[in-house]
Amino acid sequence: ETGVTQTPRHLVMGMTNKKSLKCEQHLGHNAMYWYKQSAKKPLELMFVYNFKEQTENNSVPSRFSPECPNSSHLFLHLHTLQPEDSALYLCASSRSSGGRGDTQYFGPGTRLTVL
Amino acid sequence: DAKTTQPPSMDCAEGRAANLPCNHSTISGNEYVYWYRQIHSQGPQYIIHGLKNNETNEMASLIITEDRKSSTLILPHATLRDTAVYYCIVGQGDKIIFGKGTRLHILP
Repeated sequence: ETGVTQTPRHLVMGMTNKKSLKCEQHLGHNAMYWYKQSAKKPLELMFVYNFKEQTENNSVPSRFSPECPNSSHLFLHLHTLQPEDSALYLCASSRSSGGRGDTQYFGPGTRLTVL
Repeated sequence: DAKTTQPPSMDCAEGRAANLPCNHSTISGNEYVYWYRQIHSQGPQYIIHGLKNNETNEMASLIITEDRKSSTLILPHATLRDTAVYYCIVGQGDKIIFGKGTRLHILP
């Protein structure tokens, strides 16, 4: 238990569906992250939020839309996804973004399958 | 691209020390060395990090060479539950890039 929770843990959706992934951290951190891990590929950073402001968008397609209403919650809204978007989506948090030596704590991930 | 080089896989006997090497010859002066591990289909778990000095915590020890171009993660008494992919990463806080890591197999 890392203090970072993600729901749902598993999600199957069609290409025309709209769904959202939720992440919540109970660590009092100010930075939150979304990562994507496709099969047999390294983790890829998608978005970074620091004090609710987006500080990094790693060239992510617009069909992925993040939202950070406060420092404890992070959402990833999904619409018109493609089968190649099937992956494990991981959320992480740290004390702050850009803090030297800060460590990231990861949630368990959401396994997404796009049909 | 990840700035580290790790062997793709390693074996270690249960109860023995597991020594996982990592090369990071292009590390810059303000970058830390982080180690995470990922057990199958779970989120990565933070293990330890350091800047220049060797570090130890309840999970592992981190040995960083004097020139900081390489490091070794030591799990002192490996158990079957330590079977995982171990990632060595250099960076600062938010600027960390995961590579392919080392798949560590603990043998009974």
